[in-house]
Amino acid sequence: GAGVSQSPSNKVTEKGKDVELRCDPISGHTALYWYRQSLGQGLEFLIYFQGNSAPDKSGLPSDRFSAERTGGSVSTLTIQRTQQEDSAVYLCASSLGGGNTDTQYFGPGTRLTVL
Amino acid sequence: AQSVTQPDIHITVSEGASLELRCNYSYGATPYLFWYVQSPGQGLQLLLKYFSGDTLVQGIKGFEAEFKRSQSSFNLRKPSVHWSDAAEYFCAVYGYGNKLVFGAGTILRVKS
Repeated sequence: GAGVSQSPSNKVTEKGKDVELRCDPISGHTALYWYRQSLGQGLEFLIYFQGNSAPDKSGLPSDRFSAERTGGSVSTLTIQRTQQEDSAVYLCASSLGGGNTDTQYFGPGTRLTVL
Repeated sequence: AQSVTQPDIHITVSEGASLELRCNYSYGATPYLFWYVQSPGQGLQLLLKYFSGDTLVQGIKGFEAEFKRSQSSFNLRKPSVHWSDAAEYFCAVYGYGNKLVFGAGTILRVKS
């Protein structure tokens, strides 16, 4: 079946602009995760959704970052007033139930470049 | 707090040689451990996972890993490396709150 998809695959933006990144999880997966991969910080957890609720937002680096999930499916990560340090690959993952024995399946990522 | 250490940033092996990538974890409870692989420009693909039971787990592409609680290790092995195995490998542990905590990654180069 179809895996996790993300769009756009690449995004170049100017400092100060807002960006939206989209994630389509595997059909039927109730849990969805956002991670960020950058040269200096490696792979970092950002936020976790169970259904449409986000019980863990602890990884969001600042209040410029927000995420939502609608219909228990698609999620959007929004970064407002982008800064150069936001440049990274943003990875989305989904899992069947969100438990710690559930495998997380990753999408190909969105590469964000802030000029 | 939970953490994962991958001591080797880069490893180079000859094609056909054996491979071992090291991973050490810090976690208070029973760890759930994973190895993922990332090829350039790609997302993360799961190679194998350990939850419980047999400490030697088999994965895809001929990889295996051994969980050693006494050493807090979960090293990844392959008996004979192929050029297509060149990629970056990440060890991860399930942390509190259902999030994966990743190591820094090991870049594998394969010499022909």
